[in-house]
Amino acid sequence: DTEVTQTPKHLVMGMTNKKSLKCEQHMGHRAMYWYKQKAKKPPELMFVYSYEKLSINESVPSRFSPECPNSSLLNLHLHALQPEDSALYLCASSVISQGAGEQYFGPGTRLTVT
Amino acid sequence: GQNIDQPTEMTATEGAIVQINCTYQTSGFNGLFWYQQHAGEAPTFLSYNVLDGLEEKGRFSSFLSRSKGYSYLLLKELQMKDSASYLCAVRDTTSGTYKYIFGTGTRLKVLA
Repeated sequence: DTEVTQTPKHLVMGMTNKKSLKCEQHMGHRAMYWYKQKAKKPPELMFVYSYEKLSINESVPSRFSPECPNSSLLNLHLHALQPEDSALYLCASSVISQGAGEQYFGPGTRLTVT
Repeated sequence: GQNIDQPTEMTATEGAIVQINCTYQTSGFNGLFWYQQHAGEAPTFLSYNVLDGLEEKGRFSSFLSRSKGYSYLLLKELQMKDSASYLCAVRDTTSGTYKYIFGTGTRLKVLA
């Protein structure tokens, strides 16, 4: 199974809402990532979890709150977002290795903030 | 700091060969990856280089020169389905953990 799943596929939320994005993988990968991608731009790293611990936060605003409940799951909690936060949110996972360690991406959640 | 540059757009003809370049500057280089991304879809892995030289994988090849901070992706026998964005990503260990930094991406248009 080389699949990363993400739910929901689409999400529309108001600026006062609280919602969560979910990501799951069963490849035994111990590194998991959240990226934000705007149209015609490359993915922009937000957070990295290594062995279920937050290892990188790329100065992301606190209205985005990541959580890694176990080695297979990654959540992104959203609260009081702004319209400019509308984007495709991609989850990825990889092995932690000196070898190839390519990232496997989920299909993404397309978020619209109204 | 980290900087990864690619041409923004390229156009090529079906059946031709195209080379997409990537230049990078990073202090903790630990490998270079190429991904393909079709519009509205997730990136998918194409190739990986960590040592200098050429890696070949069917119609796709990737080259790396670490001393020059340079890589390219070579696509042969272009097909219409190759129209996509191609992303160069550097794995960096400066922060003590693996961090994948994406380049600006190259949108390739294959014409009939």
